[in-house]
Amino acid sequence: GEDVEQSLFLSVREGDSSVINCTYTDSSSTYLYWYKQEPGAGLQLLTYIFSNMDMKQDQRLTVLLNKKDKHLSLRIADTQTGDSAIYFCAERDLTGTASKLTFGTGTRLQVTL
Amino acid sequence: EPEVTQTPSHQVTQMGQEVILRCVPISNHLYFYWYRQILGQKVEFLVSFYNNEISEKSEIFDDQFSVERPDGSNFTLKIRSTKLEDSAMYFCASSISGENIQYFGAGTRLSVL
Repeated sequence: GEDVEQSLFLSVREGDSSVINCTYTDSSSTYLYWYKQEPGAGLQLLTYIFSNMDMKQDQRLTVLLNKKDKHLSLRIADTQTGDSAIYFCAERDLTGTASKLTFGTGTRLQVTL
Repeated sequence: EPEVTQTPSHQVTQMGQEVILRCVPISNHLYFYWYRQILGQKVEFLVSFYNNEISEKSEIFDDQFSVERPDGSNFTLKIRSTKLEDSAMYFCASSISGENIQYFGAGTRLSVL
């Protein structure tokens, strides 16, 4: 079955760039997502990319996909204290009629002053 | 902005008791999901639901679990006889179609004592 792996923790200084990494195992075409979870809140979709794309940029967020290595990264430019949260990488299984998501463990991003 | 709402935010129950976790999906969405996250572990898919029936379920979703859409707006997850290992954060999600983005609620934290 599909598997998604992430590092558990990342600490960056305010104003620096953050890069959160993720690896996945599904070899078929798929969508890959980044969700953000703030304390006490649900999973907020940040951005997504289809596996035939290499890069997607949305304001401060840049998603890079290396399909050969099955490696996905989320870069946050000019990281702010409000970016402190847990970031989940997720892959969508396209088999079946309703696509389930397979999540990584989440990366806790800590932004320091 | 429409959102998925879940109640209660925290549920405490005794082992062996039945619990019902409630979700109100986004109103024009047709696909509904439950996921759970045991503390420190990955977010795991439980079940997807469409057209008043289960589309897909995971190995976790055994006979102790059931889902229902009782009145056209609520979507519930019932655990018949809770076990200690059912303690987790339970997330509800909904999407317009099986291929579209899944929007998540804030979760219900279930504590089984």
